[in-house]
Amino acid sequence: DVVLTQTPPTLSATIGQSVSISCRSSQSLLDSDGDTYLNWLLQRPGQSPQLLIYSVSNLESGVPNRFSGSGSETDFTLKISGVEAEDLGVYYCMQATHAPLTFGSGTKLEIK
Amino acid sequence: QIQLVQSGPELKKPGESVKISCKASGYTFTNYGMYWVKQAPGQGLQYMGWINTETGKPTYADDFKGRFVFFLETSASTAYLQINNLKNEDMATYFCARWFDYWGQGVMVTVSS
Repeated sequence: DVVLTQTPPTLSATIGQSVSISCRSSQSLLDSDGDTYLNWLLQRPGQSPQLLIYSVSNLESGVPNRFSGSGSETDFTLKISGVEAEDLGVYYCMQATHAPLTFGSGTKLEIK
Repeated sequence: QIQLVQSGPELKKPGESVKISCKASGYTFTNYGMYWVKQAPGQGLQYMGWINTETGKPTYADDFKGRFVFFLETSASTAYLQINNLKNEDMATYFCARWFDYWGQGVMVTVSS
């Protein structure tokens, strides 16, 4: 199975600060169809996860544009440009290029 | 609007079975597969598998082969997860998701004698 390693495991940020989360894959996530099925999710406390970014860098509808995704093959990054209070929670990367689908272990974002 | 509404919390004893429902609305049910995700208390997300809503064919991740069953009531736009012979380690919140863009609210299953 593909292992997704997220760093850091926890992140503490002030409002307005920009932060980045890394997701490294044990295998290339470039699919034979040319797409890269790496998504980012946010799970706020007590809530279901929500999709933020799909296919590396595509912003899901309704998600603020302070969120952005980048990367390729095995190295991916989620950036939040100007953290807001509502951004606290656990961020997960997930891959769907290789079966079975797998999730990273999560990065907890705390607001200072 | 698109919604996935899951059934309520469950309290079961070890060895019992539980059936969790996930009712979809706001879109054509058979156009999207339904995915199931487990989250143990204080832990991360674990992929359980998915069911093809057109054909009814389930696919299970390795850790969920045997006691776990995905099935559909297509006429009611509803997907189900049944867990048989419950064990303590099945205590978790179970989410359904439509390709991860829409999620149910989760069902907490407590297993206690």
